[in-house]
Amino acid sequence: SQQGEEDPQALSIQEGENATMNCSYKTSINNLQWYRQNSGRGLVHLILIRSNEREKHSGRLRVTLDTSKKSSSLLITASRAADTASYFCATDAGANSKLTFGKGITLSVRP
Amino acid sequence: NAGVMQNPRHLVRRRGQEARLRCSPMKGHSHVYWYRQLPEEGLKFMVYLQKENIIDESGMPKERFSAEFPKEGPSILRIQQVVRGDSAAYFCASSPRSNNSPLHFGNGTRLTVT
Repeated sequence: SQQGEEDPQALSIQEGENATMNCSYKTSINNLQWYRQNSGRGLVHLILIRSNEREKHSGRLRVTLDTSKKSSSLLITASRAADTASYFCATDAGANSKLTFGKGITLSVRP
Repeated sequence: NAGVMQNPRHLVRRRGQEARLRCSPMKGHSHVYWYRQLPEEGLKFMVYLQKENIIDESGMPKERFSAEFPKEGPSILRIQQVVRGDSAAYFCASSPRSNNSPLHFGNGTRLTVT
């Protein structure tokens, strides 16, 4: 079964609005990562947050991590049409372990 | 500074044929991962390799599938006697170390079995 479960499954917003995507996981992690995938392409790494971190920023991205609730959120502020893509969270259990992905969230940003 | 290179981008095979998918990791990366993605689904882990070693093959089907990452040359994912259910996008990713390191993905090989 998937380690990470994102919600919602699909999100449609207007350009300029903020998009919030959530991810829950089941077991202990070393870090949690968010990736983006444009149609027909490979995944692109967005941000990595370690298990001892609570919040991280990168440009218009803000990621939070709550290890007590085993959940993370990805906030994209001031969204643009170019942010339209699928977003995946992935959990890393530590050295020599595989990165386990959720099923992804489809984000549509209407111009 | 080339990224992860996968070829071919598209591969069509008839049932029973063999499919060979190639992946050249980013320069300096010695860790390679293979994932499979079905339409509208996330990535399913298949195998994790370092040079000449298989570290974790827990996601590989027991039969027909094999992977290698030789000392020289690309990593190869081989599927023998393909069936229609093998049709999917296969992604390779690489990283410079085993933990706390993001993965760099190729653009995938889309395998269609007719």
